[in-house]
Amino acid sequence: EAGVAQSPRYKIIEKRQSVAFWCNPISGHATLYWYQQILGQGPKLLIQFQNNGVVDDSQLPKDRFSAERLKGVDSTLKIQPAKLEDSAVYLCASSLLAGSYNEQFFGPGTRLTVL
Amino acid sequence: KNQVEQSPQSLIILEGKNCTLQCNYTVSPFSNLRWYKQDTGRGPVSLTIMTFSENTKSNGRYTATLDADTKQSSLHITASQLSDSASYICVVSSTGTASKLTFGTGTRLQVTL
Repeated sequence: EAGVAQSPRYKIIEKRQSVAFWCNPISGHATLYWYQQILGQGPKLLIQFQNNGVVDDSQLPKDRFSAERLKGVDSTLKIQPAKLEDSAVYLCASSLLAGSYNEQFFGPGTRLTVL
Repeated sequence: KNQVEQSPQSLIILEGKNCTLQCNYTVSPFSNLRWYKQDTGRGPVSLTIMTFSENTKSNGRYTATLDADTKQSSLHITASQLSDSASYICVVSSTGTASKLTFGTGTRLQVTL
């Protein structure tokens, strides 16, 4: 079965610019997650979707970050405007269902560099 | 505050040698603990999952242990190979459908000739 797909793999932008990342989860997976992983740290959950509804966005900087999951399949994460501290790898993951026993399958990530 | 601490931060070993990575957590209420392997430039991949009642689980050359009383886990790698070079991340879940995960910062393992 195909894994979680993300694009682009790499993105370099200047501060105050906008950027968008795309994620296609594993077919049939109802739950989708976006994580931010800063170099040398573990991933930090930004937002969790259950189908097309938001379950948890408590750590999403809502003044500059937004995410949507139209039709409960693909998802996009947007940053507008970007700051230097947004430089990180953005990981998308999906799981069949919500709940801690359901394994999350991660995509390869998008490495963002903000100059 | 839920926390997961891993040690060592980094480790270099010779191919064929064994090593043990440590994970201490303060996540409550505890649901399960996973060890993930993250190759450079890739997303994490689950190696093992352990619940409260399990104290050891193996996946090939990887063996994870869990002591729920002391809130400690270890990942033992036997007969290391060059392909084991990666970051190993300990992730602890709290109970509930929101699937709250607390990630450790990982141990960076390098296996050399």
